[in-house]
Amino acid sequence: DAGVIQSPRHEVTEMGQEVTLRCKPISGHDYLFWYRQTMMRGLELLIYFNNNVPIDDSGMPEDRFSAKMPNASFSTLKIQPSEPRDSAVYFCASSFQLAGPRETQYFGPGTRLLVL
Amino acid sequence: AQKITQTQPGMFVQEKEAVTLDCTYDTSDPSYGLFWYKQPSSGEMIFLIYQGSYDQQNATEGRYSLNFQKARKSANLVISASQLGDSAMYFCAMREEPNTGGFKTIFGAGTRLFVKA
Repeated sequence: DAGVIQSPRHEVTEMGQEVTLRCKPISGHDYLFWYRQTMMRGLELLIYFNNNVPIDDSGMPEDRFSAKMPNASFSTLKIQPSEPRDSAVYFCASSFQLAGPRETQYFGPGTRLLVL
Repeated sequence: AQKITQTQPGMFVQEKEAVTLDCTYDTSDPSYGLFWYKQPSSGEMIFLIYQGSYDQQNATEGRYSLNFQKARKSANLVISASQLGDSAMYFCAMREEPNTGGFKTIFGAGTRLFVKA
């Protein structure tokens, strides 16, 4: 079984540009999560979806960030316009359950974003 | 207040010895989940082990075991027979659903483990 797939693996862009990160969750997983990892703040949950519906986006830092999940096998995280402080590793994760014995979140390889 | 505390920023262990990585947590939610992840230098987050708050027995997965002490709110990871490939950053995480609503997964700051040959 393929794990969570993310693209691109690395992204370098200039301040002000739009950035789109992509994620394909594990087939059959109903929950999808977007995280950001920085040295200063560690791993932070940005938003999560249940059956393609955004449930909690309270972790999204600003209106410049938006996330969508048009179907069960695809999600995007968009930053427009990007700023240097957005430089981080962005992880996508998925799970069967939100709580319970099948709640383990499996992470993708991450997208390393650098905004110049 | 820190929800997940990993007090050891870095640790050394000799190859083939066992090592314990500490994790304490803070929650008033009666139902929660605890996780350990490994992050090698390549950057991916690898799931190691899970413990549910209602689980009576400590979780084990191969060389990994979770020493769950509910009253002390600790969930230490024990790695037996350390290998050079175990050198990595290790994160403890907790899933909770606060009474105020919502859902949270919170990660600790991590412990960097160095395995010496």
